[in-house]
Amino acid sequence: DVKVTQSSRYLVKRTGEKVFLECVQDMDHENMFWYRQDPGLGLRLIYFSYDVKMKEKGDIPEGYSVSREKKERFSLILESASTNQTSMYLCASSLLDRVNIQYFGAGTRLSVL
Amino acid sequence: GESVGLHLPTLSVQEGDNSIINCAYSNSASDYFIWYKQESGKGPQFIIDIRSNMDKRQGQRVTVLLNKTVKHLSLQIAATQPGDSAVYFCAEHTGGFKTIFGAGTRLFVKA
Repeated sequence: DVKVTQSSRYLVKRTGEKVFLECVQDMDHENMFWYRQDPGLGLRLIYFSYDVKMKEKGDIPEGYSVSREKKERFSLILESASTNQTSMYLCASSLLDRVNIQYFGAGTRLSVL
Repeated sequence: GESVGLHLPTLSVQEGDNSIINCAYSNSASDYFIWYKQESGKGPQFIIDIRSNMDKRQGQRVTVLLNKTVKHLSLQIAATQPGDSAVYFCAEHTGGFKTIFGAGTRLFVKA
């Protein structure tokens, strides 16, 4: 069965902290995505990666960075967390040429105090 | 700017009835239109998609209709069950790695 696993379901951090969100997929997918989900706004793409060490900015990359050192793992980094980054973060993966079918993790709800 | 769907509306249906969830899109160049289901505490789950050169596609208990003339997409769920209660997102693949998601529709199924 297809699986995308996010390391934490809930995180509480303080303003200014460095935050790491981890995502692992077991489907050998080339593409991995990080989205944030806010009420009434749908899912907004933060970053995308199509291969190891490759990354592309999405719609809202400011304040975030990513790392993809292994094919199965995609990390989202908040260099200095701010309260406006309080949100639900969703990781997804897909085959290289099937971006229309994405598999999502359960999400990490991050609160920045 | 590009947009898909509306702010989160709610649809309430009786168990056993058919449900129709609607969505408006804005990008005529999108090649796929997709529906996702998100249950409480879970990530979105792919339900069905339709290519832009099609008008209708059927899956198991679900049908997606695409009307390119008015840029409208709908998801029909036959014989709605309590397990169908969730938020449903429409999305459009606009090219490359880019997918635009709508805000979602919350479906309540009354027993």
